[in-house]
This record gives sequence, C-alpha cells and structure tokens, in this order.
Amino acid sequence: AQTVTQSQPEMSVQEAETVTLSCTYDTSESDYYLFWYKQPPSRQMILVIRQEAYKQQNATENRFSVNFQKAAKSFSLKISDSQLGDAAMYFCAYRSWTGNQFYFGTGTSLTVIP
Amino acid sequence: DVKVTQSSRYLVKRTGEKVFLECVQDMDHENMFWYRQDPGLGLRLIYFSYDVKMKEKGDIPEGYSVSREKKERFSLILESASTNQTSMYLCASSRQVAYQPQHFGDGTRLSIL
Repeated sequence: AQTVTQSQPEMSVQEAETVTLSCTYDTSESDYYLFWYKQPPSRQMILVIRQEAYKQQNATENRFSVNFQKAAKSFSLKISDSQLGDAAMYFCAYRSWTGNQFYFGTGTSLTVIP
Repeated sequence: DVKVTQSSRYLVKRTGEKVFLECVQDMDHENMFWYRQDPGLGLRLIYFSYDVKMKEKGDIPEGYSVSREKKERFSLILESASTNQTSMYLCASSRQVAYQPQHFGDGTRLSIL
C-alpha cells in the first residue's frame, strides 16, 4: 500500500502571511493523483486542490497552490495571504490511477494568528 | 453539489450493543468508504465498496462489518461495540474515475460507554 507522510502535526501562520504544508508519499506507480483536503473544526472535509502526476505544471486554486516534485515524491501546499477561515486540519491524499482507494496522511493542524 | 449524509452527528451507545451508522449519497457514485478518524492517526480506512453488494476490507476492519444493498447507501455496523471504538467516523463517496476526489459527510462522533 502507498504511504503518505505529513511530518508537521501543527503549524501556525500570521494572518496575511504565507505558509507551506509539506507532504511526501511513497509509490512505485508512475500515474496517480494527489489531493489536499481541508477539515475546519467540527465541519465537513472539503477538497482544496488536486494534482495529476502526469502534469508538470503545479495546480493553483486562488490563494492555494502546490509544489509538486515528482522525482522527490513531494507534494506541498502553499497558502498565500492566510485568512482566519484557513484555520483547519489539512490532509494530503494519494489515489492510484488504477485503484479506488485513497491513502491519507495523518494531517497538519493549521492555526492562523490574527 | 454532491451531498453525503450521515444519519447522526453524535451517538452514544453502550458496550456490547450492535451499532449501525448510515450513510447516503445523492450523486450516483460507485465507490463508498468508511473511515475512522483519531487524533494523530489521520484517516484510517475501515471498509470500502465499489458496487452494490461488493465490499473490500480496509486497514482496520476488525470489529466492523458493512452493508451496501443499494447504490446510494452504505452502512457501517459495529457488531458488539467496545470502548476502543469510540471515535469519529467519516463516510465518503467518489466516482470510479481516478481524478475524481472523494466527497465526505459531516462525520459521526461515536462514544461507547
């Protein structure tokens, strides 16, 4: 099974600043998909951004962008201009091109300081 | 928008009880999943189903069973609840197309006393 590692259990950022959450994964596959999910306190987990491994261009969604380094098996999430509403648990996830399962990291709890 | 609905946000049961957690999705997704979420452990897959009446064990299936009699509904069953099954349970669904993400329910916080 693929493994996904988030090495930062907790992070904090000043409001309006930029923060980067790290994620690494282990796989022998060449085609796969990577996702970042956000889980606000006591609220539903939602998709933030996704990346197709065959695409070299990093995905961007408004203030959220990724730094995808396929050779290094690294998939970090950058949040620019952090807002109070960004405070949440963030999970990195991997999905094989051929499989139905998703593999999740253990999460990073992000605190935004006013 | 995809809607994944879990029957209860909070549930309190007693040791030894048979517990049913229900999940319904409204977007005709083939795949449905049950996860357990514990602090520091992330999401751990209990079971998933890729079609009606089909199921596959995840990482921690012991003490759990599932049922998928209809495409939109996926039930998690704790056969004889124990205190170590106190946790947050998340249901999710997805299309079988690989680039499609999972969509999650609100979660059920289950306490076993």
